Amino acid sequence: QSALTQPASVSGSPGQSITISCTGPTRDFGGYNYVSWYQQHPGKAPKLVIYEVSNRPSGVSNRFSGSKSGNTASLTISGLQAEDEADYYCSSYTDTSTCVFGTGTRITVL
Amino acid sequence: EVQLVQSGAEVRRPGTTVKISCKVSGYTFSDHYMHWVQQAAGGGLEWMGLIDPQDGETIYAEKFQGRVTITADTSREIGYMELRRLRSEDTAVYYCGTALLGADSSLPGYWGQGTLVTVSS
Repeated sequence: QSALTQPASVSGSPGQSITISCTGPTRDFGGYNYVSWYQQHPGKAPKLVIYEVSNRPSGVSNRFSGSKSGNTASLTISGLQAEDEADYYCSSYTDTSTCVFGTGTRITVL
Repeated sequence: EVQLVQSGAEVRRPGTTVKISCKVSGYTFSDHYMHWVQQAAGGGLEWMGLIDPQDGETIYAEKFQGRVTITADTSREIGYMELRRLRSEDTAVYYCGTALLGADSSLPGYWGQGTLVTVSS
């Protein structure tokens, strides 16, 4: 079972918007809208920032938004801030009820 | 407040077994799946498997099938992950995770702090 594909790195200046893609075969999205996105700072546990494609957990900034079209899910961070510099991973349920993570994207704030 | 507290760091020889625990609080343990995830140093997140504590049903990733066993003690509200026949490539931080309360999705919403397992001769 292969990981979902994400760009290795994305960078942006403070205040800009960036988008991270997450692509995989249809079976890896399981036909559900159960895509989550996680932020992970070095040495820390992952933190949920988006669930069910586009929902934000309580306490997560509205600068984070998610969407999905076909076999590609996307995470957009608007008004980029220094604290957003971290690794980001997508995750989905597959059609065999297993879970799969993306390859991860390092966000750099210039 | 939902909390997942994992057991401490472990050091093992190649070929041996490690068992990590994850004690939960702040929600009903049997109501939500518990996931286990591996992260090697400098690497990404890799899903290992999950358990439904309500009935003990498990699903494992193909990569770990046959080497991993995930269990749950509902009376003590603790989940466990046992990994056998350890090799150096299993040196990693292992995380437990459970679903976000109120969500339809069972993907992890809350995470433990992680447990470092070092496999070295």
